[in-house]
Amino acid sequence: DVKVTQSSRYLVKRTGEKVFLECVQDMDHENMFWYRQDPGLGLRLIYFSYDVKMKEKGDIPEGYSVSREKKERFSLILESASTNQTSMYLCASAYLGQIYEQYFGPGTRLTVT
Amino acid sequence: GQQLNQSPQSMFIQEGEDVSMNCTSSSIFNTWLWYKQEPGEGPVLLIALYKAGELTSNGRLTAQFGITRKDSFLNISASIPSDVGIYFCAGPYSGGSNYKLTFGKGTLLTVNP
Repeated sequence: DVKVTQSSRYLVKRTGEKVFLECVQDMDHENMFWYRQDPGLGLRLIYFSYDVKMKEKGDIPEGYSVSREKKERFSLILESASTNQTSMYLCASAYLGQIYEQYFGPGTRLTVT
Repeated sequence: GQQLNQSPQSMFIQEGEDVSMNCTSSSIFNTWLWYKQEPGEGPVLLIALYKAGELTSNGRLTAQFGITRKDSFLNISASIPSDVGIYFCAGPYSGGSNYKLTFGKGTLLTVNP
């Protein structure tokens, strides 16, 4: 079974803090993704990585950055957290040839106060 | 932009009933995917469809890739309480990027025992 794990299920941070969300997959997937999920807005892609050190911006990259130093690990960084970044953050991974069949982690519910 | 419209938005059914939901697009899709998200968890891939007219089953779930390539249907037979969750359709974004998925807003399914 593919396993995608995220470092925290729940996180509370203060405005202005730097926040790191970690994601690890154990299936040697080339592709990894970060989404945020908000009521009424659905899932929106923040960033995508297709290889170590490679990244592409998604639909809403502003206020976020990512890091992929190892194939199995993809980190999302909120440089200076703001209240409008309160959301559910979902990491996903997929094989190179099956990029649309994405396996999601359990999510991190981030609250910024 | 590209949109996926799911209907119904929510369903309340009795255990044992069959369920049908659908997803329509303003543009042609070459792939359709159906995901299920349970409360507090990330989405799980149920079925992937790659060919117009394709009908694919996964246990009590059956999904169809519409012949017009602008719609897809998901049916659940003999529903059980653990079918509760939000069902999302998704398809590749047609805006030029070959890795982005567009997600519908979901159908919330509640099953009364």
